[in-house]
Amino acid sequence: DVKVTQSSRYLVKRTGEKVFLECVQDMDHENMFWYRQDPGLGLRLIYFSYDVKMKEKGDIPEGYSVSREKKERFSLILESASTNQTSMYLCASSPGISYEQYFGPGTRLTVT
Amino acid sequence: DQQVKQNSPSLSVQEGRISILNCDYTNSMFDYFLWYKKYPAEGPTFLISISSIKDKNEDGRFTVFLNKSAKHLSLHIVPSQPGDSAVYFCAALSNTGKLIFGQGTTLQVKP
Repeated sequence: DVKVTQSSRYLVKRTGEKVFLECVQDMDHENMFWYRQDPGLGLRLIYFSYDVKMKEKGDIPEGYSVSREKKERFSLILESASTNQTSMYLCASSPGISYEQYFGPGTRLTVT
Repeated sequence: DQQVKQNSPSLSVQEGRISILNCDYTNSMFDYFLWYKKYPAEGPTFLISISSIKDKNEDGRFTVFLNKSAKHLSLHIVPSQPGDSAVYFCAALSNTGKLIFGQGTTLQVKP
């Protein structure tokens, strides 16, 4: 059974803070993804990674960076959090390009 | 520019009746589509998929229909159950492995 875990379920940060969101998958998947979910906008892709140390920008990468030092771990970094980054953040992994993605439970981030 | 659209933000259905959730897409190059279900405070879970070589795929109470000429797909749930109440997202798989999601439809199944 695929398991994708995220480091926090709920997080409250102040404007300007550096924020780290961690994601770990236990199924040796090559691909990992970070999304944010906002009402009326669905899921929007922030960044994704096809392999260790590789990253690709998604549709809304501004204000974010990522790190993938190990195959099982994909980190999302908010260099200087802003209130418009308040959202639900979802991590996902997949074994290949043509496969469905498996999602973690999400992190509800509030930036005040 | 929304390439995958779910134009109905919400749908309310009586238990035992059919739920029909709709999804439209604009890119004719999309050839694989998925439906995900999401409960509050949980991540989306894969529900059912369909390849463009088919026009129908069925899994228990869930059936997805694809109309390529209309660039339209729909998810039918029959009979609907209160546990089906959730947000449903349709998604198209791009050739780079990215999923393009719709905005989601919140389904409420009333007992």
